[in-house]
Amino acid sequence: KAGVTQTPRYLIKTRGQQVTLSCSPISGHRSVSWYQQTPGQGLQFLFEYFSETQRNKGNFPGRFSGRQFSNSRSEMNVSTLELGDSALYLCASSLSDSAYEQYFGPGTRLTVT
Amino acid sequence: DAKTTQPPSMDCAEGRAANLPCNHSTISGNEYVYWYRQIHSQGPQYIIHGLKNNETNEMASLIITEDRKSSTLILPHATLRDTAVYYCIVLQTGANNLFFGTGTRLTVIP
Repeated sequence: KAGVTQTPRYLIKTRGQQVTLSCSPISGHRSVSWYQQTPGQGLQFLFEYFSETQRNKGNFPGRFSGRQFSNSRSEMNVSTLELGDSALYLCASSLSDSAYEQYFGPGTRLTVT
Repeated sequence: DAKTTQPPSMDCAEGRAANLPCNHSTISGNEYVYWYRQIHSQGPQYIIHGLKNNETNEMASLIITEDRKSSTLILPHATLRDTAVYYCIVLQTGANNLFFGTGTRLTVIP
């Protein structure tokens, strides 16, 4: 079974631009969560989607948004990029609403210049 | 919010058991203890979870104290590939918003 895939793997953007990251969960998984990882703040929860509905949201500004499609694929968008948004963005999928077995993708490394 | 306390780093000799402690003194009755690890440049990997009984799987064992205020993750025969940051997470069942904290950086030494 294929794992969680994230595209693109690397991205360089300029301050003020916006970016869209994509995540394809493991086949059959309906929950997709997004995390941001930086050296200073560590791994932080962004939001979680289940059956196209956002169920949980972390403490991030409204510039960070996401959505989930009917096939469970998910996208996250960051508008008006800031230097501090440079991070590894990780997507995780799970079969249902149980947290114990979340499968993480390799991440998208975003650099904002 | 940090609900767990872990030592920042530990070393373990290859082939020996690695025992990683975690304190979660404010855990409530419906909260589980989860362990994940992150090997350098990879996404986190689920290891094991438990509520109040000891648990074992092909990767590790989880020992939870009777008062549930602390737990220990045991890697029975550590290998170099077990070098990673290990995260202890307390979470209610049905919640998917993992709070990773700072974890313990385990270094397995040849």
